[in-house]
Amino acid sequence: DVKVTQSSRYLVKRTGEKVFLECVQDMDHENMFWYRQDPGLGLRLIYFSYDVKMKEKGDIPEGYSVSREKKERFSLILESASTNQTSMYLCASSPEGQYPNYEQYFGPGTRLTVT
Amino acid sequence: AQSVAQPEDQVNVAEGNPLTVKCTYSVSGNPYLFWYVQYPNRGLQFLLKYITGDNLVKGSYGFEAEFNKSQTSFHLKKPSALVSDSALYFCAVRDWVISGGYNKLIFGAGTRLAVHP
Repeated sequence: DVKVTQSSRYLVKRTGEKVFLECVQDMDHENMFWYRQDPGLGLRLIYFSYDVKMKEKGDIPEGYSVSREKKERFSLILESASTNQTSMYLCASSPEGQYPNYEQYFGPGTRLTVT
Repeated sequence: AQSVAQPEDQVNVAEGNPLTVKCTYSVSGNPYLFWYVQYPNRGLQFLLKYITGDNLVKGSYGFEAEFNKSQTSFHLKKPSALVSDSALYFCAVRDWVISGGYNKLIFGAGTRLAVHP
């Protein structure tokens, strides 16, 4: 089974802090994604990466950056946390191929509270 | 742009009754559609997908979904609901980003399913 793990289930940070959210997958997937989940808004894509050191902005990249130094690890960085970044953050991975399934595998999520 | 809509915030069903969670889509080209489920304090789990072929797709935990091209719908169904089916359900559609040459999923807002004993 594919396993996607996230470094923390719950995190509380102060406004202005730099925050790192880590995600690791063990299935050698090329693609990795970061979403935030808010009630009534579903999942919104922040950033994704289709290869090591490659990244693409999603729908809501402002206030975030990412890093992918190794294939299995994808980090989300909040440069200066703000209260409107309080949310559930979900990491996902998916394989790539000539006829990709597009199916994504999700981690358990990190609930971040910024005070 | 591709989009999906889940018109119901919450669906309430008695245990043992059939359930339907609705999803409509708007895409250019052939739709690739997905259903995911999220149990409390868990990540999303894949349930089923429609890529091509039979309009009735069977998935995990006894769920199925019916693709209807004329109504642009992809409703999730189960013949007999269980209390353990209570969760948040998301419909999603693949979006091909031409400028970047990559795929991504666009999710609906989610529907909370409550199955009562």
